[in-house]
Amino acid sequence: GAVVSQHPSWVICKSGTSVKIECRSLDFQATTMFWYRQFPKQSLMLMATSNEGSKATYEQGVEKDKFLINHASLTLSTLTVTSAHPEDSSFYICSATGQTNQPQHFGDGTRLSIL
Amino acid sequence: RKEVEQDPGPFNVPEGATVAFNCTYSNSASQSFFWYRQDCRKEPKLLMSVYSSGNEDGRFTAQLNRASQYISLLIRDSKLSDSATYLCVEANSGYALNFGKGTSLLVTP
Repeated sequence: GAVVSQHPSWVICKSGTSVKIECRSLDFQATTMFWYRQFPKQSLMLMATSNEGSKATYEQGVEKDKFLINHASLTLSTLTVTSAHPEDSSFYICSATGQTNQPQHFGDGTRLSIL
Repeated sequence: RKEVEQDPGPFNVPEGATVAFNCTYSNSASQSFFWYRQDCRKEPKLLMSVYSSGNEDGRFTAQLNRASQYISLLIRDSKLSDSATYLCVEANSGYALNFGKGTSLLVTP
């Protein structure tokens, strides 16, 4: 079945560090990828929609200058958390799909801890 | 953003029991619905899509009631391995998914 790979799975960094997370669709082309964030005991919240070759669409309240998204190819999207602070500590998950309204396939998630 | 509401639980049931979860959604234009399962500290995994006619996959049955705007998930003959958080998900136009907060299920021996 469709596989989405996300890397790294765990990051612990000092405050002020920028962290890049990669999301790859391994066996299909994903014109659209999504980035979600999940705080403890909360639901997944969509942060942004990443479209190959164009600018990402950010959800209300998500700072585009803080969460930089690059979708340079049909199989790779990256999320960079710039100058991360402790409040950015969360579980970040990407997903990808090739078709509208079809189930999405999720990466394993990245657990980000900022000290 | 339109809401997807679920009872957070937890639902504690003995092995072999039947348990049902409901979920309501507020966006009448929602087009697709899914149940995802999320284990602790893991990514969500698709459990099943929910069709208007209802659908069954082994011990799992999902139903959609568009008039009342709710979907349900029924698990029969619960197994210990069914313990997880079950996420109700809807999709409107386009691709993005809208998740409920999840319902926790704990199946006990």
